[in-house]
Amino acid sequence: IAGITQAPTSQILAAGRRMTLRCTQDMRHNAMYWYRQDLGLGLRLIHYSNTAGTTGKGEVPDGYSVSRANTDDFPLTLASAVPSQTSVYFCASSVGPEQPQHFGDGTRLSIL
Amino acid sequence: AQSVTQLDSQVPVFEEAPVELRCNYSSSVSVYLFWYVQYPNQGLQLLLKYLSGSTLVESINGFEAEFNKSQTSFHLRKPSVHISDTAEYFCAVSDKAAGNKLTFGGGTRVLVKP
Repeated sequence: IAGITQAPTSQILAAGRRMTLRCTQDMRHNAMYWYRQDLGLGLRLIHYSNTAGTTGKGEVPDGYSVSRANTDDFPLTLASAVPSQTSVYFCASSVGPEQPQHFGDGTRLSIL
Repeated sequence: AQSVTQLDSQVPVFEEAPVELRCNYSSSVSVYLFWYVQYPNQGLQLLLKYLSGSTLVESINGFEAEFNKSQTSFHLRKPSVHISDTAEYFCAVSDKAAGNKLTFGGGTRVLVKP
């Protein structure tokens, strides 16, 4: 079934550790996005990529980095995790930036 | 910067009763508007969208939303809810002036009671 796959589903991580959240889509969508979801705040954009080889900063980019080496993959890296990065992370993709986005099932990350 | 306000964080409603979820966004010349639904432990799914044309848009499961440019609103309604409509609903706005990045509201949790 076509869609977005995120891994891991959940993770508990010690503060200071490095962590990469994986996101793969098989819909050949040009645009991809990373959001974090926190209670009462909705989803906030961390980083985005309008096409392979390009990335941009969203609303809350500090402490996170991304890469877009190809169309399908868009990993999110926390270089040195901090407790405030405890959240549920969603990857999404769309045909183009003005089109509806398709979401993965999320990664629940807890930083202790 | 664009902002989206969902005035109600939680809406309890009885089965077969109507429901309205309110969404207001900050003014912009040209926007696209979306409602997404999130069921427990899942990602968001598109419920309906307004890109252009008729200001009233409908989904396949009975929801509708009306774009009101003068009031900068995009309220979501359903005349008769089912237990299965229990979920969290997010309003989102894509602002062309901001590169079409989506800005989400804080969400409204709908709890349908039998």
